[in-house]
Amino acid sequence: GESVGLHLPTLSVQEGDNSIINCAYSNSASDYFIWYKQESGKGPQFIIDIRSNMDKRQGQRVTVLLNKTVKHLSLQIAATQPGDSAVYFCAENAGTGNQFYFGTGTSLTVIP
Amino acid sequence: EAEVAQSPRYKITEKSQAVAFWCDPISGHATLYWYRQILGQGPELLVQFQDESVVDDSQLPKDRFSAERLKGVDSTLKIQPAELGDSAMYLCASSGGRVGYQETQYFGPGTRLLVL
Repeated sequence: GESVGLHLPTLSVQEGDNSIINCAYSNSASDYFIWYKQESGKGPQFIIDIRSNMDKRQGQRVTVLLNKTVKHLSLQIAATQPGDSAVYFCAENAGTGNQFYFGTGTSLTVIP
Repeated sequence: EAEVAQSPRYKITEKSQAVAFWCDPISGHATLYWYRQILGQGPELLVQFQDESVVDDSQLPKDRFSAERLKGVDSTLKIQPAELGDSAMYLCASSGGRVGYQETQYFGPGTRLLVL
C-alpha cells in the first residue's frame, strides 16, 4: 500500500514566525493531496488540498507546495498563531475510488 | 456550515461487551467512511460506503466488527465483543461521492472508545 510519512514528528515555532511542515509520499500514482489539522480530542479539519496538475496552492495564511519529482509535499503557515498548535496530517489519494492514506502526523507547538 | 455528526463522543465499556457508534454524514454526500485512529497515528480506513453499498471493507476485522448504512444516509459501526486493543478514536467522514471524481473528505468529531 501507499506510504505517507513526515520528516519531523514535532515542530516548535515562535508566535509570529512562519511554519513549514513536510510530508513524503511513496506512491507516484497519487494525484490528490489534502492537509488536515487535528486538535486534541477532535476530528481532522480540512485545511487545504492540491491536485497533481498544480505545484502550489494558497489559502488564508497557508500555502501547499507539491514537488512530484521527489514526491514531497509541504504546508507553510504564515505568521503562526497559538491557535495553530495541533497535529497536522497529509493524506494522499491515487484514484477515483477516493481512498486516502494518512501519515503519522507532525505535532506543531506555537510558543507565545 | 454542514458537518458530519457522530455519537456518542465518548464511550467506556468493558471487554467482551458490545458497542455501537452512529454517524450522520453531510447532507447529500454519497460516500461515507469509518476510520480508526490510534493515539499518535494517522487514521486508518475500516470501511467505505457508496450510498448503501460497501465498496471497501478489506481492513475491517469482520469477526467482531460490522457496519451498515441501510438507507444510504446515516451509518452504524458495531463491535462485538470489544477487546482491549479496540481502544481508539473512531472517525466518520463523508464526501460528495460523484463517480469519477476525487473529492474532499470531511470528518466528524469522532467517538473515543476506551475498553477496560
